[in-house]
Amino acid sequence: NAGVTQTPKFQVLKTGQSMTLQCAQDMNHEYMSWYRQDPGMGLRLIHYSVGAGITDQGEVPNGYNVSRSTTEDFPLRLLSAAPSQTSVYFCASSYLDQRSNYGYTFGSGTRLTVV
Amino acid sequence: AQSVTQLDSQVPVFEEAPVELRCNYSSSVSVYLFWYVQYPNQGLQLLLKYLSGSTLVESINGFEAEFNKSQTSFHLRKPSVHISDTAEYFCAVSDTGGFKTIFGAGTRLFVKA
Repeated sequence: NAGVTQTPKFQVLKTGQSMTLQCAQDMNHEYMSWYRQDPGMGLRLIHYSVGAGITDQGEVPNGYNVSRSTTEDFPLRLLSAAPSQTSVYFCASSYLDQRSNYGYTFGSGTRLTVV
Repeated sequence: AQSVTQLDSQVPVFEEAPVELRCNYSSSVSVYLFWYVQYPNQGLQLLLKYLSGSTLVESINGFEAEFNKSQTSFHLRKPSVHISDTAEYFCAVSDTGGFKTIFGAGTRLFVKA
């Protein structure tokens, strides 16, 4: 049971380049989300999804796109990378029921540097 | 909007001493509360959670947290820490029935020999 798998683990981009961060989970979780972690700021929610075909914005969505074509996968796309997007990105998933959130399972993260 | 305040950015403590990591949240509605731990160069792991019922919740490695609704707090405690507890700890809150979890800025716990 792999849990939540993120690829790549490290990436360096030039300003203006685009790329996709991959996230896959094998726990049949309905809920998936992307966070970015910056020093002293904790984790900030970028986008989230409550099921295939359903996505919504979090606190800091600008410059990022997501899609959810399957339950397992939730890729995050950077459209035109900027130095301000240098960060560590985490994907997280959880079950959903009437209580909404039992707590997340996190991936190991992608460290992105934009130069 | 929901917010979470972790009152200490760093907490140094000697091995076998007690520790308390403080967390306050702002909400006028029912909430679920969580503590996550992050070891160096790893993702976050769920440490413990409060969903309902008893206000005192415990983890398998000796941490506990108490939900205090009147003070909107969810402080994390351990009576005797180990070197291996050195990590960053994040408090998080989500509204019941909501899909967004808000995290605090984190507290770095340094356990010294």
